[in-house]
Formats: sequence, structure tokens, C-alpha cells
Amino acid sequence: DADVTQTPRNRITKTGKRIMLECSQTKGHDRMYWYRQDPGLGLRLIYYSFDVKDINKGEISDGYSVSRQAQAKFSLSLESAIPNQTALYFCATSDFGKIGTGTTGELFFGEGSRLTVL
Amino acid sequence: GIQVEQSPPDLILQEGANSTLRCNFSDSVNNLQWFHQNPWGQLINLFYIPSGTKQNGRLSATTVATERYSLLYISSSQTTDSGVYFCAVSGYSTLTFGKGTMLLVSP
Repeated sequence: DADVTQTPRNRITKTGKRIMLECSQTKGHDRMYWYRQDPGLGLRLIYYSFDVKDINKGEISDGYSVSRQAQAKFSLSLESAIPNQTALYFCATSDFGKIGTGTTGELFFGEGSRLTVL
Repeated sequence: GIQVEQSPPDLILQEGANSTLRCNFSDSVNNLQWFHQNPWGQLINLFYIPSGTKQNGRLSATTVATERYSLLYISSSQTTDSGVYFCAVSGYSTLTFGKGTMLLVSP
């Protein structure tokens, strides 16, 4: 089983619908992230969470919201989907990544969720 | 924030050839990673390499932190090496990704 699991893997929806993408992890990491990938633009950070009570906006948070339900679960919502939110979405996790703590901050990705908004 | 530039943007190789991909970054970094995105979209960790040199089979990577660049070497390329290679860096915040190098290895 994958260490970072995303559901659904593929979703087609219509403009105006509410969509939730879910992510769960078994790596025991405190930090979780949602990225969006568009062709030619690399990966851009939407939201991130450093622990259960922490939520931070990334580079492109407008039109999205997140919920950190537990250490292992981080979900991304599109309250009212629009066609330019059609993209490949990735969840990722990492440990603390601070010098002297034995952690690296190395990022591990889920398999991606392909969302199409018509 | 940190700027990340990858070169070349595209690369076409014959199977068996060697290649070098470059990642330049604009500030000192605490974390640098290389990823491979296969044609099915999966992102696979290749190296965590904020400094120094590492090797894993036909792939190796070198980061010269003082000069703000990292290199990914692919030797004896195979068709399964095709895909997009991303470099990502961070100081003490979240990772910033380059736009990637798209590699096509033909038989």
C-alpha cells in the first residue's frame, strides 16, 4: 500500500459543484501539503499544514479550502469548481526538516488526483 | 522567495546516451530534492541532496551549495527514464519547484 494515498484518483465534475479531494498518510509525518500541477508550470503550493491545528495558505489558495482532520488526514475542497481549476492535484508529506533534529524535510508525494471541471 | 531555474527545458536522447540536467537557485538552501515524474504522472523521489554528491545506479546528483546549483546525471539512458525531472529547493520554508526538464529517450 502507498504511504500517501489520494482519493479520488480521477474526477470529472461540472462548474459550480463542490469537490473534496482526500489525502491520508501512514508515514507518521506532521507536515502535509497540497500542490497543483498545470502543464508547463511545475508544481505550485495551494495550502500546507505543519500540525493538526496549523493551516497556512500557499502561493495559489484562492478558490480552495482545506481541513486537517487528524495527523494522518488532510483534505482539499473546491467550494464551487470552475474550469480553470482543471489540473492534476498532489498531496505530499514531510517531517520537520530542521538541522540537528535528524529530520530532513524530504517531501513524499501521493499518486495524484486528476480533476476535470466542465 | 527563492527562484529556481532548470535547464534545458526539453531534451531528446537516443537510448544509451548520457545527459546532465541543471538546477540553478537564487539563495542558500536547506533542502534540495530531485524528482522524476513518469508518463503516468507519478512523482518519484530521486535524491535528497542539499549539498555533496550521491549516486543511485545509473543516476547521480551533485549540489554545489556555495555556487547555488545542482546537477543530475543520467548515464546509459533507457526509455524508462523518459518523463519530467523536477528540482525543488527551500531555505527554511516550503519547497519551491522549478518548471522541470522534459526528457524523451528514444529506442
